[in-house]
Amino acid sequence: AQSVAQPEDQVNVAEGNPLTVKCTYSVSGNPYLFWYVQYPNRGLQFLLKYITGDNLVKGSYGFEAEFNKSQTSFHLKKPSALVSDSALYFCAVRPSTSGTYKYIFGTGTRLKVLA
Amino acid sequence: DTAVSQTPKYLVTQMGNDKSIKCEQNLGHDTMYWYKQDSKKFLKIMFSYNNKELIINETVPNRFSPKSPDKAHLNLHINSLELGDSAVYFCASSPTGYYGYTFGSGTRLTVV
Repeated sequence: AQSVAQPEDQVNVAEGNPLTVKCTYSVSGNPYLFWYVQYPNRGLQFLLKYITGDNLVKGSYGFEAEFNKSQTSFHLKKPSALVSDSALYFCAVRPSTSGTYKYIFGTGTRLKVLA
Repeated sequence: DTAVSQTPKYLVTQMGNDKSIKCEQNLGHDTMYWYKQDSKKFLKIMFSYNNKELIINETVPNRFSPKSPDKAHLNLHINSLELGDSAVYFCASSPTGYYGYTFGSGTRLTVV
């Protein structure tokens, strides 16, 4: 079955420290990978995507993510966390074999940046 | 403002009632979606329309019926509401191709 896993329910990091939010996937074919952020009482906002090309993709608000095909991972990273980065983060994948625009979302990881 | 807008933002209703949630996007996107986010924040796709044609219809009770009068609008009608329908419902849109979604701000439905 095709799936996305975010193994950590919550990640705590001190402000100014680097952060990593983990995502692994299991899909047939080449995956199209996405990260979204959800602030309280808001809809999800697109952060970045990997379709093809360079394994390191840069997105909004200083976030980046690294596609690792051998480890089937797409971890979200930021060199220096801000308190304002505290939110719920979702990884999503669309299998390239999908004839529709169906994205599979992970269960979300709550990031808490401590001042 | 260019956006995906949903109405209402909050909806409190009694069991057994029928209600509708409306969604409109002015981004020129071809595809629109309804997602349900439960109390544990898990997101599950319900429906998707591409240029007014239904392309995704997940295992959803047939009390839920989407309607897309044109490619800028996707409404969700729910009959005979049940307690378990309480959730946040998100509308989203995307262009054709491998693009991310633009989400609306959600409708928090509470069935009492």
